[in-house]
Amino acid sequence: QVQLVQSGAEVKRPGASVKVSCKASGYTFTDFYIQWVRQAPGQGLEWMGWIYANSGGTNYAQKFQGRVTMTRDTSINTAYMELSSLRSDDTAVYYCARDPQDPTPADYWGQGTLVTVSS
Amino acid sequence: DIQMTQSPSSLSASIGDRVTITCRANQGINNYLAWYQQKPGKVPKLLIYAASTLQSGVPSRFSGSGSGTDFALTISGLQPEDVATYYCQKHDSAPWTFGQGTRVEIK
Repeated sequence: QVQLVQSGAEVKRPGASVKVSCKASGYTFTDFYIQWVRQAPGQGLEWMGWIYANSGGTNYAQKFQGRVTMTRDTSINTAYMELSSLRSDDTAVYYCARDPQDPTPADYWGQGTLVTVSS
Repeated sequence: DIQMTQSPSSLSASIGDRVTITCRANQGINNYLAWYQQKPGKVPKLLIYAASTLQSGVPSRFSGSGSGTDFALTISGLQPEDVATYYCQKHDSAPWTFGQGTRVEIK
């Protein structure tokens, strides 16, 4: 069965970086994209971007351009999302999701990773 | 960027009621529209894709409609387990914007 397992919760200082991992299993990793979505406490879902696991090609939301880097390691079927220059308003649960692109943007989701930014 | 506007932002309905949530895009997105359900403290779950196709395993009381700019998610016979926030997401071209969400409660 398809599973996406994310890394554990993180606490970071403002200005630091965080790297969240998303390990995929149960499907051919390089056949799909991985989408990253975040959700601040009590707020809605926010699309951050996606990475094509095959080529490593990326598409980032303009809001995160210059601060976010999405990568993948096909040898271990794992995608990564690194966010730099963290601010308090980056405190959120970060989700990865398997992304077939068409006909649906996200069919299987990771369990989420809470990133807390606090001094 | 195309904006996605959901309405209402919240609603309260009785068990068995028919509930409709709308999602409007300010430009056409063909049928590249998905609906998700997120129960409190849980991970979002795909309900509908391609505007009207029910994801496997999703109860048939959920249905989606629309194309172009106007879309709807309907729950035909609200159940207690449907208490959740529902989101639409466009995916015709980047950015794949979400609607702001609609919270559904039981009256």
